[in-house]
Amino acid sequence: NAGVTQTPKFQVLKTGQSMTLQCAQDMNHEYMSWYRQDPGMGLRLIHYSVGAGITDQGEVPNGYNVSRSTTEDFPLRLLSAAPSQTSVYFCASSAPGWPGYTFGSGTRLTVV
Amino acid sequence: AQSVSQHNHHVILSEAASLELGCNYSYGGTVNLFWYVQYPGQHLQLLLKYFSGDPLVKGIKGFEAEFIKSKFSFNLRKPSVQWSDTAEYFCAVIFNDYKLSFGAGTTVTVRA
Repeated sequence: NAGVTQTPKFQVLKTGQSMTLQCAQDMNHEYMSWYRQDPGMGLRLIHYSVGAGITDQGEVPNGYNVSRSTTEDFPLRLLSAAPSQTSVYFCASSAPGWPGYTFGSGTRLTVV
Repeated sequence: AQSVSQHNHHVILSEAASLELGCNYSYGGTVNLFWYVQYPGQHLQLLLKYFSGDPLVKGIKGFEAEFIKSKFSFNLRKPSVQWSDTAEYFCAVIFNDYKLSFGAGTTVTVRA
């Protein structure tokens, strides 16, 4: 049981490049979320999903896109990377009645 | 607007000292409350949770938290800290939906 798996662990992008952060969970959780963590700001919700085919925006969605074609996968796409998107990104999953969210190990992204 | 506030940005303690971290939220309805810990270089781990029932909840590693509904608070405590408790601690709340909202975090440094 792997839990929540994020890839890659580290990534350096040039301004304007696009990329996809991968997130997969094997717990059959309906809810999945993407957060970014910045010093002094805690974790802020980017996008979330309550099931396959259903996504919605969180607090800081600009510059990011998501889709949820399967229960297991919830990729986060950076459309045109900017230095302000330098951050650590966490994916998390949960289910109704589950005791809280389970987090992946994170992706540290640097945009130069 | 719904929000989560953590009182302290950085707490420095000596080993064996007692720890209390404050957390308040702004919402008058039913909430689910969590404390997460993030050790240096690692992902978030659930320390404890409160859904309902006894407002004093016990978690892993000797931590406990008390939910005081009248004060909209969920403070984390540990009677005697160890050097290994050095970490960042996040209070998080699920308000009237399934989205998890975080406080800004408190960095705890325990000196040997």
